[in-house]
Amino acid sequence: DAGVIQSPRHEVTEMGQEVTLRCKPISGHNSLFWYRQTMMRGLELLIYFNNNVPIDDSGMPEDRFSAKMPNASFSTLKIQPSEPRDSAVYFCASTQTGGHTEAFFGQGTRLTVV
Amino acid sequence: TQLLEQSPQFLSIQEGENLTVYCNSSSVFSSLQWYRQEPGEGPVLLVTVVTGGEVKKLKRLTFQFGDARKDSSLHITAAQPGDTGLYLCAGGGGNQFYFGTGTSLTVIP
Repeated sequence: DAGVIQSPRHEVTEMGQEVTLRCKPISGHNSLFWYRQTMMRGLELLIYFNNNVPIDDSGMPEDRFSAKMPNASFSTLKIQPSEPRDSAVYFCASTQTGGHTEAFFGQGTRLTVV
Repeated sequence: TQLLEQSPQFLSIQEGENLTVYCNSSSVFSSLQWYRQEPGEGPVLLVTVVTGGEVKKLKRLTFQFGDARKDSSLHITAAQPGDTGLYLCAGGGGNQFYFGTGTSLTVIP
């Protein structure tokens, strides 16, 4: 398996534009997580899905952020409209459902909003 | 709310020295994991500990889970430049992972 695949690796956009980040989890993994990493706040959980259903989105900063998982092999995180304070590295991770499971992370998308 | 606090936040040491990184919380976790993250990459799992008081060794790395399952430590013996990276602890509860604040380690040759 190629691991968790995220695209794009880098995204530079202007304030106010819509940004869509994409993630393909590892085949057979039931849970998918979106994280945001910054120097100031570290690695923050934004939302996670179990069997394609959003379970906890309490970490989503505000209504400008939305996430979908239309099927077991694809998820998106959308920011509309984007703001400079959204600049961060966004990670997607997947796990097999169950306790003490290992989270496999993608390489991340570095987002810069100017 | 940051559930897991790591210390120190930054650490720069000479090759061959020993070091310990701490992960503390007021919450009890069913398991605790340690990850290492290199620049431009996502975190990669090093170890999972599940039993209070458990000690696991991975070559020069020794991981310990506190008796009350609220804290953990990572000890590195004779650090090498290849150990450089961001070390993250993560507390598990259900199917969620709450990551610590991270310790950035630099080992100078």
